[in-house]
Amino acid sequence: DGGITQSPKYLFRKEGQNVTLSCEQNLNHDAMYWYRQDPGQGLRLIYYSQIVNDFQKGDIAEGYSVSREKKESFPLTVTSAQKNPTAFYLCASSLNGPTDGYTFGSGTRLTVV
Amino acid sequence: DAKTTQPPSMDCAEGRAANLPCNHSTISGNEYVYWYRQIHSQGPQYIIHGLKNNETNEMASLIITEDRKSSTLILPHATLRDTAVYYCIVRVGQKSSGDKLTFGTGTRLAVRP
Repeated sequence: DGGITQSPKYLFRKEGQNVTLSCEQNLNHDAMYWYRQDPGQGLRLIYYSQIVNDFQKGDIAEGYSVSREKKESFPLTVTSAQKNPTAFYLCASSLNGPTDGYTFGSGTRLTVV
Repeated sequence: DAKTTQPPSMDCAEGRAANLPCNHSTISGNEYVYWYRQIHSQGPQYIIHGLKNNETNEMASLIITEDRKSSTLILPHATLRDTAVYYCIVRVGQKSSGDKLTFGTGTRLAVRP
């Protein structure tokens, strides 16, 4: 079955460590996105990529980095510069048409202690 | 992208219709109205979208006013599994503008037994 996979589901890290969250899709979607969600809040866009080897900052990119070397993969690195990294991280993908919905992964809950 | 306004919470009885309103008074002519929902600790799920005309699919109906400044998502026979946060989003369907979804805080729908 086609889908979008995020791993791991739960992740714990010590403060000051970088951590990379995985996002893989086999839907042949052009665009991929990373969102962050804090308790009781909506989703905020971190980074997005519309084609391979290209990506743009979203609304809250500081302290994060991404790469898009393959169409299927869009990993997100949470760096030590991110001041409040504990959150629920969601990856999504879509075709690049105006009426194409987003498919979301099941999320990674990152806790930094 | 145009901003949307939704009530923070609503409830309805199981088996009854749930009508979720959304105001998007600054919507532009090329912006679509999208609805997603998020069940606790999962990724958002696409429900329906529309531009001008009313739309219906197996999940819901979308009623857009003639001036396009507001819309209503209708779940015709709500079940307990429809308890979720529902997001109304307006989206420019153009690649050149950096097609991305901007989520608000949504409406928390509680379906009562």
